[in-house]
Parts: sequence; C-alpha cells; structure tokens
Amino acid sequence: KAGVTQTPRYLIKTRGQQVTLSCSPISGHRSVSWYQQTPGQGLQFLFEYFSETQRNKGNFPGRFSGRQFSNSRSEMNVSTLELGDSALYLCASSPRKTTDTQYFGPGTRLTVL
Amino acid sequence: AQSVAQPEDQVNVAEGNPLTVKCTYSVSGNPYLFWYVQYPNRGLQFLLKYITGDNLVKGSYGFEAEFNKSQTSFHLKKPSALVSDSALYFCALDRDSSYKLIFGSGTRLLVRP
Repeated sequence: KAGVTQTPRYLIKTRGQQVTLSCSPISGHRSVSWYQQTPGQGLQFLFEYFSETQRNKGNFPGRFSGRQFSNSRSEMNVSTLELGDSALYLCASSPRKTTDTQYFGPGTRLTVL
Repeated sequence: AQSVAQPEDQVNVAEGNPLTVKCTYSVSGNPYLFWYVQYPNRGLQFLLKYITGDNLVKGSYGFEAEFNKSQTSFHLKKPSALVSDSALYFCALDRDSSYKLIFGSGTRLLVRP
C-alpha cells in the first residue's frame, strides 16, 4: 500500500498570506489528523477528522482550519500567516479507532517570511 | 490532563551497547502508548505500541518497550545499538475517545561507532 502523501513538500509564503496543505491518507484509512512540529513547541495536535467530521481540535487560533472530503483526503488552511507559523506540518492517517496506529506522512515544511 | 515526559534531551551510547530512552506519562483512564522515530527531514515512523495485555511490547528494528503501570513509564529499549539508530525518538499517549496523540518533547539518540 502507498503511504500517506502530503503536498506540497515545501512552501514559502509571506506574512499575511494564506496557505492550503493537502494530505492523502493510506487507502482504506478514514481518520486523518494534523500536527504542527516546531523546535520550540515540539509536536502539537491541530485537529482530527473522520468521515468528514472533526472529532477533536487542539489549542490553535481560528486561523487554522481543516476539512475532509468524502474520499478521506484532507486539507488544512492557515489564513493571515504569521512568522510563528513556520513549521513542519505533519498529517497522519489511521483506520478508525483511537487504538489504531497513526501513520505519518513526510510533512510539509512551511516557511513564513 | 494528560501529559508525556521524556526527561532526557539526548542519550549517547556506543554501538553494540544496550540503549534505553525514557518516557513517563500521566493520564486519567486507560493509556495507549506509542513510540515513533524521526530521521532528518522525514516524518514519523511507527516503532511500537502498548494497548493492553503483555507489558513487554516488541516492535520494529529490534526495539522493545516495557509498560509499567505503577511507575507510569513506558521506556524504549534495544539490546544492542546500531549507528543507524541515531535519530529523534518520540513517546506519545492517547486515550479512549480523544482521537489525538500527545507527544513528549523528544529524545535525540546518538550512537557512536
């Protein structure tokens, strides 16, 4: 099976712009989660989607949003970018349950100038 | 509130020696514990998980971890370290119906030849 894919892999934006990141889960996986990784804050949970419904959300401002499509692909959007949004954004997929293993994609490296 | 602690920022071992990467957790309810490894410019790779049952969990690449409920620990171990094991290791915690992973701060493992 193909793994989790994320596009684009690298992105450079300027402050105030918005960005959309895409994630395609492993075939058959219906849960998609997003995480932000930074040197200062480590790995932090953004949100999780299952069957197009957000089941949980982390402590991020409303500028961070996401959605999931009927084919389980997911996108996350960050509006009004700030310098502090520079990070590696990781997407993970799993079949369904909490106890299922989450498998991670390679990430999208976002740099905000 | 649930949390994960990795008390060591870095662990140094010689190749061929046993290694231990420490993890402690705090959670109300049943803990589901995971270990992931991250190589430079890569996403997270799953190593092993504890859900229930045997306290000694065996995983990929010769790694194992021991779940200790009384000490609320889930240390990662390997009998004989390889230089190629050098990477960043993350312990993560989940629980019933949370649908999110809480990560520790990560431990950098350096195996010297």
